[in-house]
Amino acid sequence: QQQVKQSPQSLIVQKGGIPIINCAYENTAFDYFPWYQQFPGKGPALLIAIRPDVSEKKEGRFTISFNKSAKQFSLHIMDSQPGDSATYFCAASTNDYKLSFGAGTTVTVRA
Amino acid sequence: NAGVMQNPRHLVRRRGQEARLRCSPMKGHSHVYWYRQLPEEGLKFMVYLQKENIIDESGMPKERFSAEFPKEGPSILRIQQVVRGDSAAYFCASSIRGRTTDTQYFGPGTRLTVL
Repeated sequence: QQQVKQSPQSLIVQKGGIPIINCAYENTAFDYFPWYQQFPGKGPALLIAIRPDVSEKKEGRFTISFNKSAKQFSLHIMDSQPGDSATYFCAASTNDYKLSFGAGTTVTVRA
Repeated sequence: NAGVMQNPRHLVRRRGQEARLRCSPMKGHSHVYWYRQLPEEGLKFMVYLQKENIIDESGMPKERFSAEFPKEGPSILRIQQVVRGDSAAYFCASSIRGRTTDTQYFGPGTRLTVL
């Protein structure tokens, strides 16, 4: 049973476009929502994270939007570049260490 | 400061053999986590260890799988009598402490193929 559902599975955008990845969860005890970026052959790397007491967080070109009532959160990549082509995972955890990951979204940014 | 190191990067085993995966955490990190990633799926938590202690192994299959993190040396994930369904990427992560707010830094993974 997957605790975090992620969509779409893959998406392709042109350079400068804004890929949007959505995640939904059921467990209301989740209180930490990180996003990880993974390049082929590498391990996931933390990109940005949010807690449910804020509705939006920006770091550089990456923005997380969080809707606590809908139990959904999303990642937007502004002004996307070919170097952003990677697999992105959303995750969630309760007040502990155990991360529950979504299935991942493969983003391709075409030049 | 070197990142999390895992070896081997690729491991091929025949059914029934044993697989040993090693993980050296980042310097100064004493908390280690193992995750498994099946094709087309996200990472799934397996086990959390501190030096010489297994803190949480709730995600690890009860049979054939074991993990350790000795006082000296790397953490080891051991899979006995491997089956084809064990083929996956196994990632190790480490953190300074075991709290939610502590970033887990991931290694490059070991890709296990069972023939």
